[in-house]
Amino acid sequence: QQQVKQSPQSLIVQKGGISIINCAYENTAFDYFPWYQQFPGKGPALLIAIRPDVSEKKEGRFTISFNKSAKQFSLHIMDSQPGDSATYFCAAFRGDTGNQFYFGTGTSLTVIP
Amino acid sequence: ETGVTQSPTHLIKTRGQQVTLRCSSQSGHNTVSWYQQALGQGPQFIFQYYREEENGRGNFPPRFSGLQFPNYSSELNVNALELDDSALYLCASSPRLAGGTDTQYFGPGTRLTVL
Repeated sequence: QQQVKQSPQSLIVQKGGISIINCAYENTAFDYFPWYQQFPGKGPALLIAIRPDVSEKKEGRFTISFNKSAKQFSLHIMDSQPGDSATYFCAAFRGDTGNQFYFGTGTSLTVIP
Repeated sequence: ETGVTQSPTHLIKTRGQQVTLRCSSQSGHNTVSWYQQALGQGPQFIFQYYREEENGRGNFPPRFSGLQFPNYSSELNVNALELDDSALYLCASSPRLAGGTDTQYFGPGTRLTVL
């Protein structure tokens, strides 16, 4: 059972455009929502993260929007660059059962020059 | 670079064999987690070790086991390998118990192929 559902599976954006990746979850026990970026041959690297008591967090060109009532959160990449081409994973964490991170299935982002 | 290293990079085994994968965490990181990442999927949590004791386990059978050593290294052992065990295995370390506030630093992974 997929605890965190991520869409789209793949995304192609023009350079300078906005990339948007969405995630949804069911379990209200989750209390931390990170986004990871993974390049081929590398492990995932933390990009940005948010807690459910905040509706938005921005770091540079990356913004997380969080909708607690809808149990959805999204990653927005502003002014997308070819170097942003990678696979992005959302994740959700709950500390009450084994300190476990649940990952989405990933979105392959391609930014066209 | 995250400072987390894994060995070997690639490994080929046959069904029924046993395998040991190794991870070297960042110095001072007391927590290590192991993940299985199937092709085209997100990482799936296998288990976590904190100060050399298992501290959480995902939905994986007992033939997946681990060890964490005082020198910040750890092992993932898989017995009786099955074809579906073919995946990228990632370890991730963090300074303290991964209570959501500590960044997990991932290694590059070990690609295991079971024939």
